[in-house]
Amino acid sequence: NAGVTQTPKFQVLKTGQSMTLQCAQDMNHEYMSWYRQDPGMGLRLIHYSVGAGITDQGEVPNGYNVSRSTTEDFPLRLLSAAPSQTSVYFCASSWGGVREQYFGPGTRLTVT
Amino acid sequence: KNEVEQSPQNLTAQEGEFITINCSYSVGISALHWLQQHPGGGIVSLFMLSSGKKKHGRLIATINIQEKHSSLHITASHPRDSAVYICAVLYGGSQGNLIFGKGTKLSVKP
Repeated sequence: NAGVTQTPKFQVLKTGQSMTLQCAQDMNHEYMSWYRQDPGMGLRLIHYSVGAGITDQGEVPNGYNVSRSTTEDFPLRLLSAAPSQTSVYFCASSWGGVREQYFGPGTRLTVT
Repeated sequence: KNEVEQSPQNLTAQEGEFITINCSYSVGISALHWLQQHPGGGIVSLFMLSSGKKKHGRLIATINIQEKHSSLHITASHPRDSAVYICAVLYGGSQGNLIFGKGTKLSVKP
């Protein structure tokens, strides 16, 4: 099993550009989440999904869109990148919050 | 606001020392996770607790539900244990309510 994969590993965007961060898991997990990690702060939830076709907002959803058309994939879209979105983004999957969490390797995004 | 507090923020130890990292939270929870973030950035799950104590190798995690407190212990610490240790708690049953602490950066010197 590949576990949770994320692409790209690094990305530099200019303000106003859009892009999609990819996340995929091969463990048939129901739950998938996107977090951002900023210096001096804990991981913060952006969006999450409890199954294909079902998504919901987390703590910091503004400027991001998600969709979940399949169990395996959970892409995160930045609509119009801003410098405040410079961060490290982690995708995670699990069978639920009371089960083991599996994290992807992260995407380091810089917006100039 | 539901919060997770970890202490200490930074910890330096000599190889072989017994390490304790603490996590406190404010309201009732469904589960508590301990995670390890390697210097390269990857995050792995160490433990999930809802009560009592769990042990895996040199790592021990305990939780006291009444005191709203958990500890992660590392026995016979080794330089390869150097990492950031993160506590996360689940308020309610939804995946969306996982709240993370800021992490404890551990450095173990040979």
